[in-house]
Amino acid sequence: QKEVEQNSGPLSVPEGAIASLNCTYSDRVSQSFFWYRQYSGKSPELIMSIYSNGDKEDGRFTAQLNKASQYVSLLIRDSQPSDSATYLCAVRGSGGFKTIFGAGTRLFVKA
Amino acid sequence: DAGVIQSPRHEVTEMGQEVTLRCKPISGHDYLFWYRQTMMRGLELLIYFNNNVPIDDSGMPEDRFSAKMPNASFSTLKIQPSEPRDSAVYFCASSPGVEKLFFGSGTQLSVL
Repeated sequence: QKEVEQNSGPLSVPEGAIASLNCTYSDRVSQSFFWYRQYSGKSPELIMSIYSNGDKEDGRFTAQLNKASQYVSLLIRDSQPSDSATYLCAVRGSGGFKTIFGAGTRLFVKA
Repeated sequence: DAGVIQSPRHEVTEMGQEVTLRCKPISGHDYLFWYRQTMMRGLELLIYFNNNVPIDDSGMPEDRFSAKMPNASFSTLKIQPSEPRDSAVYFCASSPGVEKLFFGSGTQLSVL
């Protein structure tokens, strides 16, 4: 079992729709959770972080965390073609600074 | 700030040759990470340093890989001898230790 699992996609949504991206992790003591966006040929960049159960909103993005289910999600409202990218879920454990990434979900937003 | 600087951007080499990838982290960042990204395996953590000391190298695939951080402003990842299966994009990232990783532009390595 991989430490961080994501559906590789591609996930295709029409412009203006809500895109829902999901991630599960195996280490129960994980404390910090991140979503990075990676455009083709570019390096990953952080878009959201979440540390406690519940929802965290930032503009069109909402991160959701359920530690009991070991589940993290990212919702993108009013999806735009510029949101088309690979979204990487990352998890950090309680000790140290080791940050493990999922393989990523490719998102396509159709105009 | 110039960000994390990696060199070279592209490296093409033949199987069996030694490859050295270089990274200059953002000044003041205490953590430095080396990742490898392939379509099949995604973004894999190879090793990370804290204050120039290797903390976790469990992701280093085998003895052909080695990484060093002789000072706070420079790190190398060396592959000797290189093999075609090492072909990937190698990212260096640094962090001040709060949350965010700052990634370099990556080195595209092709081993023929």
